[in-house]
Amino acid sequence: EAQVTQNPRYLITVTGKKLTVTCSQNMNHEYMSWYRQDPGLGLRQIYYSMNVEVTDKGDVPEGYKVSRKEKRNFPLILESPSPNQTSLYFCASSPLRQGLSYEQYFGPGTRLTVT
Amino acid sequence: EDQVTQSPEALRLQEGESSSLNCSYTVSGLRGLFWYRQDPGKGPEFLFTLYSAGEEKEKERLKATLTKKESFLHITAPKPEDSATYLCAVQALYNQGGKLIFGQGTELSVKP
Repeated sequence: EAQVTQNPRYLITVTGKKLTVTCSQNMNHEYMSWYRQDPGLGLRQIYYSMNVEVTDKGDVPEGYKVSRKEKRNFPLILESPSPNQTSLYFCASSPLRQGLSYEQYFGPGTRLTVT
Repeated sequence: EDQVTQSPEALRLQEGESSSLNCSYTVSGLRGLFWYRQDPGKGPEFLFTLYSAGEEKEKERLKATLTKKESFLHITAPKPEDSATYLCAVQALYNQGGKLIFGQGTELSVKP
């Protein structure tokens, strides 16, 4: 089954404790992206990657890091989480057509709480 | 500034009662407009892509249309299983990063 998977699905942590949320897709998509979803603010892009070793910032990158060492994986790293990073996180992937991303396919989400 | 506004915020329908959801957008050149369905606690599920004014797409009881300023998601004879939040998103021509700009969504509830 074609899908985007994320782990963990739920995570409660404390301020300052480094964590990684994994994302993997089995559709051989070049493009991958991370979004966060907050009430009243909707979905906002954190980081994206056009291909292996190619990453760039989205609208809200502060406090986050990413890496793309393999085509299928795109982990999101919070090196020193803070309470304002409490949110619902989604990974998405998309094929590129003529070098551009179009419709994106989303994972099931990771609900993160930072206390 | 590129933005997307969806209305209404919430919509309650009786089973079989057809209606439409609105997505108004402003963007500096439209690459694509996307409709997603999101169930509680789950990721957005891709429904449609529309590229140019006048385009229409259909899937089961759903039909999406596009003009130069807005898109409509028409729901014909809805069933309780159509209950979900429907999200509209646009992608700008100039944006090389593929960012989707989302609206706040319309929460649809269909009662039997």
